[in-house]
Amino acid sequence: NAGVMQNPRHLVRRRGQEARLRCSPMKGHSHVYWYRQLPEEGLKFMVYLQKENIIDESGMPKERFSAEFPKEGPSILRIQQVVRGDSAAYFCASSLDPYNEQFFGPGTRLTVL
Amino acid sequence: KNEVEQSPQNLTAQEGEFITINCSYSVGISALHWLQQHPGGGIVSLFMLSSGKKKHGRLIATINIQEKHSSLHITASHPRDSAVYICAVSRFSGGGADGLTFGKGTHLIIQP
Repeated sequence: NAGVMQNPRHLVRRRGQEARLRCSPMKGHSHVYWYRQLPEEGLKFMVYLQKENIIDESGMPKERFSAEFPKEGPSILRIQQVVRGDSAAYFCASSLDPYNEQFFGPGTRLTVL
Repeated sequence: KNEVEQSPQNLTAQEGEFITINCSYSVGISALHWLQQHPGGGIVSLFMLSSGKKKHGRLIATINIQEKHSSLHITASHPRDSAVYICAVSRFSGGGADGLTFGKGTHLIIQP
């Protein structure tokens, strides 16, 4: 039973480009959470999704960031027109339901040049 | 003031010592989580608890809901326990638990 998978593991983008980060939850999990860890800072919640629905996006920056979790396929975190301040590790986690333990993926380390 | 506070921020100890990491929170929660993160590595969930005490191997986690406080203990510490230990809380919203709110982490180094 594979764990939470994220790809790519490392992503390098130039300022102004788009970054797409993918997260495949554990089998049977329909709840996905995205978190960001800025250099030398703690983890921060970004968005919580269920299949085809955004439940809570209170931690998402208002511009350039979007997330989706389609009926088929992985959850996608999309960052448009990246800036250097977007350089961070982005983790996704999945759970069976909102009351259960979250399992984390290995993270995607985004570097913006 | 952060909603989740951890202490100490950094901890260096000798192999074999008993380790305690503390976490205090200021909001109502549905559960408290202890996570482990190795340098440059992923995040592993160690415990999720809403009351009492849980034990897994050499790790023990306790929570006191009335005092809004939790502790993570490591018995017979080993250099491979060196990592960042993160306390996080989840809160119920109308649709279920929110995403986690994290403490800043405790950097633990166990010297041989």
